[in-house]
Amino acid sequence: ETGVTQSPTHLIKTRGQQVTLRCSSQSGHNTVSWYQQALGQGPQFIFQYYREEENGRGNFPPRFSGLQFPNYSSELNVNALELDDSALYLCASSAPGQQSLYEQYFGPGTRLTVT
Amino acid sequence: GDSVTQMEGPVTLSEEAFLTINCTYTATGYPSLFWYVQYPGEGLQLLLKATKADDKGSNKGFEATYRKETTSFHLEKGSVQVSDSAVYFCALSGGNQGGKLIFGQGTELSVKP
Repeated sequence: ETGVTQSPTHLIKTRGQQVTLRCSSQSGHNTVSWYQQALGQGPQFIFQYYREEENGRGNFPPRFSGLQFPNYSSELNVNALELDDSALYLCASSAPGQQSLYEQYFGPGTRLTVT
Repeated sequence: GDSVTQMEGPVTLSEEAFLTINCTYTATGYPSLFWYVQYPGEGLQLLLKATKADDKGSNKGFEATYRKETTSFHLEKGSVQVSDSAVYFCALSGGNQGGKLIFGQGTELSVKP
């Protein structure tokens, strides 16, 4: 069984640029969630995708957007990067079913640095 | 809104010591509760879970019991090892939060030989 994978591992961008992060969900999982983890903090929920539709969003501005594809992989796009966007971005997938939805499996994350 | 509060770290223990990391939550509804562990430079791994009051989650010698009356989900291990050194996160999901996880701030554990 393949786990959640994310790419790239590390990324350095300049303020004002745009970035796309990618995630492949665990086999059999149809729901993907994205989290931002600032240094020394717990992860913060950005949004969740289910069957290619956004299914809940946290307190993040519209310049954070996402996509989910028919194979359940997902992208996180961030426009107009700010210094405070520097963080570890985590993708998590979960299986079909109400209770299974609450059990999420995380990828290794993408470390984004904005200079 | 719903929230999770963990005891502050870092926690430093000697090998084979008893571990307790406190976690309390505030929630509307009936959430599921989780402990995740994050090793240096890695993502989060699900350590254990409990989905209703009085459930006990357990894995790899770690245990936590869902206490609705005290709104707590404290993590315990009888004898820690150096390899347990990591950051531990308490989280809740479900109830009024649907499928999103709400995390505590994390507690760093360092185990010395």
